[in-house]
Amino acid sequence: DSGVTQTPKHLITATGQRVTLRCSPRSGDLSVYWYQQSLDQGLQFLIQYYNGEERAKGNILERFSAQQFPDLHSELNLSSLELGDSALYFCASSSRGGFQYFGAGTRLSVL
Amino acid sequence: AQSVTQLDSQVPVFEEAPVELRCNYSSSVSVYLFWYVQYPNQGLQLLLKYLSGSTLVKGINGFEAEFNKSQTSFHLRKPSVHISDTAEYFCAVSGGFKTIFGAGTRLFVKA
Repeated sequence: DSGVTQTPKHLITATGQRVTLRCSPRSGDLSVYWYQQSLDQGLQFLIQYYNGEERAKGNILERFSAQQFPDLHSELNLSSLELGDSALYFCASSSRGGFQYFGAGTRLSVL
Repeated sequence: AQSVTQLDSQVPVFEEAPVELRCNYSSSVSVYLFWYVQYPNQGLQLLLKYLSGSTLVKGINGFEAEFNKSQTSFHLRKPSVHISDTAEYFCAVSGGFKTIFGAGTRLFVKA
């Protein structure tokens, strides 16, 4: 158990809809990262938050947004969903030292 | 800017044979280096890390990696693999605030 909790584990929705993925980092970790993993694109870094503020941005679409709350949990919002957004979405957290602990992921299926 | 190249997308190997998964990186700053493993239907798990000190790093499950600064490589090795090592392996480099992951190497261990 990495100590990073992601909910829900699975999500099935339709095109055009909006979903929210939730992540609780390991106790004491201030950084939260979001990744998308699909068969054709591999593991793609989306965005990083550190203590409530956006720290780094990767290949995140404009339809996607994230935030980190004062209690350090984070949410990834995906809107106007398309079939191609179907993927595994991972959250990771880290303390100083750079290495990240990953959650088990949320599998999103857009039908 | 940093980049990571995993030189093999798939590596098939027989049980009890040795294996090497290759990783090269580039960076203009000092970096930390990591290997992660992802078993089917699970998140990424830290296998080992190089932060500083000895260039030979030992990780979990009998894996080790050697940091070679002159060749900018961080290859992962195991002297004798088991069926249970079948998984995807990701090399990652961290410098500053960003961690960059390689495309992954799928290790197939055959009986």
